[in-house]
Amino acid sequence: NAGVTQTPKFQVLKTGQSMTLQCAQDMNHNSMYWYRQDPGMGLRLIYYSASEGTTDKGEVPNGYNVSRLNKREFSLRLESAAPSQTSVYFCASSNPLAGGKDEQYFGPGTRLTVT
Amino acid sequence: GENVEQHPSTLSVQEGDSAVIKCTYSDSASNYFPWYKQELGKGPQLIIDIRSNVGEKKDQRIAVTLNKTAKHFSLHITETQPEDSAVYFCAASMVSGGYQKVTFGIGTKLQVIP
Repeated sequence: NAGVTQTPKFQVLKTGQSMTLQCAQDMNHNSMYWYRQDPGMGLRLIYYSASEGTTDKGEVPNGYNVSRLNKREFSLRLESAAPSQTSVYFCASSNPLAGGKDEQYFGPGTRLTVT
Repeated sequence: GENVEQHPSTLSVQEGDSAVIKCTYSDSASNYFPWYKQELGKGPQLIIDIRSNVGEKKDQRIAVTLNKTAKHFSLHITETQPEDSAVYFCAASMVSGGYQKVTFGIGTKLQVIP
């Protein structure tokens, strides 16, 4: 049981290049999320997928697109990378319970640098 | 939307002492308050959580308190150990747009000095 896996672990892009961050979970969770983590700003939600077949914008969606490929996989795409997208990206998954409890399981992160 | 403020941003304590991290939230609709611990180079991991109908919860050396009226909640770590050194995030969560929306604080870097 690997939990949440992310690839790649590190990536350096030039401004304008594109790339896709991959995420997979093996816990049969319905919901999946992409966050970015920047110093002094905590974790900010980029996109989420409440269930297979649905995706919605989070707090900071501009410059990103997502695909919920199946129940296990949720990818994040940067079409034209900008230096402002330099960050650490985390994928998470959960099965929200009635009454509000929603433990999110995070992957190890992808450290992206855009030059 | 929800706004979560967390302080202090950094905290240094001697091994064996207690550490307290405080958070406030703005939206009374928030009903679930998790705390996550993030070790260097890893993703955050849930360490304790509390629902809005509970005032206090304890798990060994870790406890969380919630004051709904004042909209603040706190994490207490007693008898700190070097392995408690990490970044801790509080969060407030509510149902919004059909999903459980989580808003995180900015994090507290805890250093336990041996």
